[in-house]
Amino acid sequence: QQKVQQSPESLTVSEGAMASLNCTFSDGTSNNFRWYRQHSAKGLEVLVSIFSDGEKEEGRFTAHLNRANLHVSLHIREPQPSDSAVYLCAPSLDSGGSNAKLTFGKGTKLSVKS
Amino acid sequence: DTTVKQNPRYKLARVGKPVNLICSQTMNHDTMYWYQKKPNQAPKLLLFYYDKILNREADTFEKFQSSRPNNSFCSLYIGSAGLEYSAMYLCASSRGQGATGQLYFGEGSKLTVL
Repeated sequence: QQKVQQSPESLTVSEGAMASLNCTFSDGTSNNFRWYRQHSAKGLEVLVSIFSDGEKEEGRFTAHLNRANLHVSLHIREPQPSDSAVYLCAPSLDSGGSNAKLTFGKGTKLSVKS
Repeated sequence: DTTVKQNPRYKLARVGKPVNLICSQTMNHDTMYWYQKKPNQAPKLLLFYYDKILNREADTFEKFQSSRPNNSFCSLYIGSAGLEYSAMYLCASSRGQGATGQLYFGEGSKLTVL
């Protein structure tokens, strides 16, 4: 069963400083990685999807994937107070079947101070 | 419209009473999911429908029921709520049956059991 660890548990950054979040996963066959975020008492929204090693940028959000190291990270450029939320990492394996088990990490709580 | 709607947004229930949560989407997605999210914990998949086929997780098999009367609607039913059911319940939908499709989440239904 996939195990997902996120670090740090919480992170406080100043507005405009880069925020970096980390995620390690246990299943080296994972081939789909998404970062979601959840604002307080809200649903989850997807930020970045990455499927191969390297980098994927979506606006101010950049994901870095290194499957050999079982590691995927999220970097937020010029974070704003509105980016304060819980960020969730979700690695999964597309096996072509009906397995819809998307495994999430516990999340990193990001606070951006103005 | 990529909106997934959930009702009610907030639900207060007494121990032992039933709870019914509703989810709808108009994206004609094949798959609809229910997750349970507690503070500082990863979202936990409870069950999902692929078309008319219901899949329930083994450890929550007897605690949650669901129905999908048509493609757009999916409900989550708790027959007898316990204190441990207090959580945010997140509905999501995706195209296709695999975990690789992007999940679109609703804003959640926050259940408090007293």
